[in-house]
Amino acid sequence: QKEVEQNSGPLSVPEGAIASLNCTYSDRGSQSFFWYRQYSGKSPELIMFIYSNGDKEDGRFTAQLNKASQYVSLLIRDSQPSDSATYLCAVDGGGGADGLTFGKGTHLIIQP
Amino acid sequence: DAGITQSPRHKVTETGTPVTLRCHQTENHRYMYWYRQDPGHGLRLIHYSYGVKDTDKGEVSDGYSVSRSKTEDFLLTLESATSSQTSVYFCATQMNTEAFFGQGTRLTVV
Repeated sequence: QKEVEQNSGPLSVPEGAIASLNCTYSDRGSQSFFWYRQYSGKSPELIMFIYSNGDKEDGRFTAQLNKASQYVSLLIRDSQPSDSATYLCAVDGGGGADGLTFGKGTHLIIQP
Repeated sequence: DAGITQSPRHKVTETGTPVTLRCHQTENHRYMYWYRQDPGHGLRLIHYSYGVKDTDKGEVSDGYSVSRSKTEDFLLTLESATSSQTSVYFCATQMNTEAFFGQGTRLTVV
């Protein structure tokens, strides 16, 4: 069974600092990797996706993928209080459409 | 939100009753999914559909059935609701490999 592991936190980071969120996955066949942000009581919102080894940057967000180590990370630069949320790591089933496997999420708190 | 609407948004039902949750999309996405989200478990896939009348089971499908008679509608039915099915249910659609979620339905089984 596919597994995605995340530290549940809470992870507390001062405003303006870099928040680093990590995720490991068990299925070497996974090809696509996603980070979702979920505010309390709301639905998950896609913020980043990455398919290839290395870094992918989008504004203040950088996703990092290392397939050899089965490791995905998300860096949030210049953290803002509005970044406080739960961040969900998700991986696909290896190219099919049979849904995503999610980690349990990391609760991030940005301290003003 | 990729034009995904779930109904109802909140429901309280009694143990043993059937319940149907509806997901409606306006994006004409082929793939649709039902997930449930519970504390300590995260999001787990219940059922999914890869086209009209084409559905398959996910990780936690026991006690649930689905139907998709039109591209835009995906129904989730709890055949006989149990307290363990108290949860928040999310519908999602997929374009390429990116999934987009509806607002969620909070279901309480008493």
